[in-house]
Amino acid sequence: AQSVTQLGSHVSVSEGALVLLRCNYSSSVPPYLFWYVQYPNQGLQLLLKYTSAATLVKGINGFEAEFKKSETSFHLTKPSAHMSDAAEYFCAARTGGGNKLTFGTGTQLKVEL
Amino acid sequence: DADVTQTPRNRITKTGKRIMLECSQTKGHDRMYWYRQDPGLGLRLIYYSFDVKDINKGEISDGYSVSRQAQAKFSLSLESAIPNQTALYFCATSDRRIGRTDTQYFGPGTRLTVL
Repeated sequence: AQSVTQLGSHVSVSEGALVLLRCNYSSSVPPYLFWYVQYPNQGLQLLLKYTSAATLVKGINGFEAEFKKSETSFHLTKPSAHMSDAAEYFCAARTGGGNKLTFGTGTQLKVEL
Repeated sequence: DADVTQTPRNRITKTGKRIMLECSQTKGHDRMYWYRQDPGLGLRLIYYSFDVKDINKGEISDGYSVSRQAQAKFSLSLESAIPNQTALYFCATSDRRIGRTDTQYFGPGTRLTVL
């Protein structure tokens, strides 16, 4: 079965610093992969997705992620953190037929002055 | 107006009560999903529906039932609520057309507390 692992349930960075949120998937077949963001008291919003085209995917708000098959990873990065990036981030993989998503357990990003 | 709406946004109920959470969408999508979110566990799929006559169980369907009243409406019911069903519930939709099925769009969530 497909699984998604997010390393680090909480990540804290300084404003202006690099953001790196880690995601690894388990699958013998490269899946479709997604990053979603959840701001406080809101639903999930799609940041970016990998669907077997370019391995470096650019998303909204300056985020990007690189699909690395050899490492089964899809880490999310942003060169310079902003206070407004503070939120919970979820990595997800589409599993099998029917467009079902398997989510990681989430990473809470805190941005400090 | 929001494309995916959920009602109520917050609900407190007692053990044993029947509860219905409703989801409506104006995106014209035919696929709809119900998830629950628990701290430290991410989101888990409860039920999903590909059209009005196609409803499927997800990974944690026990204790829940659903109804797809129309393409735009998908309701989740807890027949007899229990405290461990306290969670944040999300509805999501996606488009079945080729090339568009991979993105799910989420509602704002319903926070349910079962005492």
